[in-house]
Amino acid sequence: DGGITQSPKYLFRKEGQNVTLSCEQNLNHDAMYWYRQDPGQGLRLIYYSQIVNDFQKGDIAEGYSVSREKKESFPLTVTSAQKNPTAFYLCASRETANYGYTFGSGTRLTVV
Amino acid sequence: DQQVKQNSPSLSVQEGRISILNCDYTNSMFDYFLWYKKYPAEGPTFLISISSIKDKNEDGRFTVFLNKSAKHLSLHIVPSQPGDSAVYFCAASRTLSSGSARQLTFGSGTQLTVLP
Repeated sequence: DGGITQSPKYLFRKEGQNVTLSCEQNLNHDAMYWYRQDPGQGLRLIYYSQIVNDFQKGDIAEGYSVSREKKESFPLTVTSAQKNPTAFYLCASRETANYGYTFGSGTRLTVV
Repeated sequence: DQQVKQNSPSLSVQEGRISILNCDYTNSMFDYFLWYKKYPAEGPTFLISISSIKDKNEDGRFTVFLNKSAKHLSLHIVPSQPGDSAVYFCAASRTLSSGSARQLTFGSGTQLTVLP
């Protein structure tokens, strides 16, 4: 079955530590996206990538970094510079010809 | 600056009745609109969409209406079922300056509860 896999589902991080969230897709989609969801808020765009080895900042990129070395993979690193990292993180991908995204099941990150 | 707004954070309806979820947008560059459904601790799943050149799209129990002049769209669910209870996100799509790149902007969501 084609889809997007995010891992881990739950992640705990100590303050001051960097942590990397995994996102893998086997849909052969070119574009990939990272969103963050906070309670009572919509999905806010962190970073996106249209092709391999290229990515762009979204609306709330500060404190985050990404890489796109392979078409299938778009990992997100939450750095210690991110002031409020506790949130639900969603990865998505899009086929160039389509408007909508396919989402992964998300990673809940909690800073302890 | 919220470009896509869902002003009702929650909505409760009786099973079998109509659910109407509303969404407003401000950016005239949006040319395609989508509704997503989301359960807790899961990713959103696509529900229905509409192009800006249309005013209505229907898929089974779900119908989306677009009023372009008012920059308003709505999702109608008829009849509502308990399984429809979820958070519904409105999303608007536009082309970015970099050619074929597209971006979705999401509203804050509406929690729909369908009471048995």
